[in-house]
Amino acid sequence: DAGVTQSPTHLIKTRGQQVTLRCSPKSGHDTVSWYQQALGQGPQFIFQYYEEEERQRGNFPDRFSGHQFPNYSSELNVNALLLGDSALYLCASSLRGTSGTDTQYFGPGTRLTVL
Amino acid sequence: GQSLEQPSEVTAVEGAIVQINCTYQTSGFYGLSWYQQHDGGAPTFLSYNALDGLEETGRFSSFLSRSDSYGYLLLQELQMKDSASYFCAVRDIGGAAGNKLTFGGGTRVLVKP
Repeated sequence: DAGVTQSPTHLIKTRGQQVTLRCSPKSGHDTVSWYQQALGQGPQFIFQYYEEEERQRGNFPDRFSGHQFPNYSSELNVNALLLGDSALYLCASSLRGTSGTDTQYFGPGTRLTVL
Repeated sequence: GQSLEQPSEVTAVEGAIVQINCTYQTSGFYGLSWYQQHDGGAPTFLSYNALDGLEETGRFSSFLSRSDSYGYLLLQELQMKDSASYFCAVRDIGGAAGNKLTFGGGTRVLVKP
């Protein structure tokens, strides 16, 4: 049973550039969430996708956008990169409507460095 | 808004017991989760409490008091492999609205021989 996969694992960009990160959810999951984790801090919620639509959004600027495809995979796009965007970007998948537990399965993350 | 407070670091020896406290303030509350993250790794789910009381899973237990907006994770019979960061997280929206998690800053647990 394949878990959550993300690509690439590492990425180096310069300020002002654009980046696209990719995520494939765990088999059987239909909801994808993206989190940003700065060094030494907890993950911060960016947004969540379900049925190819953004359902919830955290306190992130419009430079952060996303997409979900019919096969439930997802992309995170960040435009006009800033030094402060350097972080580990985590994708988490879950099955919508599950109750009794709150398990989200996280991928290994993409380490983005902005120079 | 939402905020979660947990200690930044705890050090203990192998075989000991460690309790990581978490207090939270949220506009809505549907449950408290705990995640473990080793350096360079992904957060992995440990436990979830939606109702008051203690949940036990092997060496790890988690407790929730909704009236006190407080929970804790108990790590028993500490092993070297338990050295990691532990995060409490609140789910503040339920049902079809989604399951966004708000995380605390994390507690770094260092287990010494």
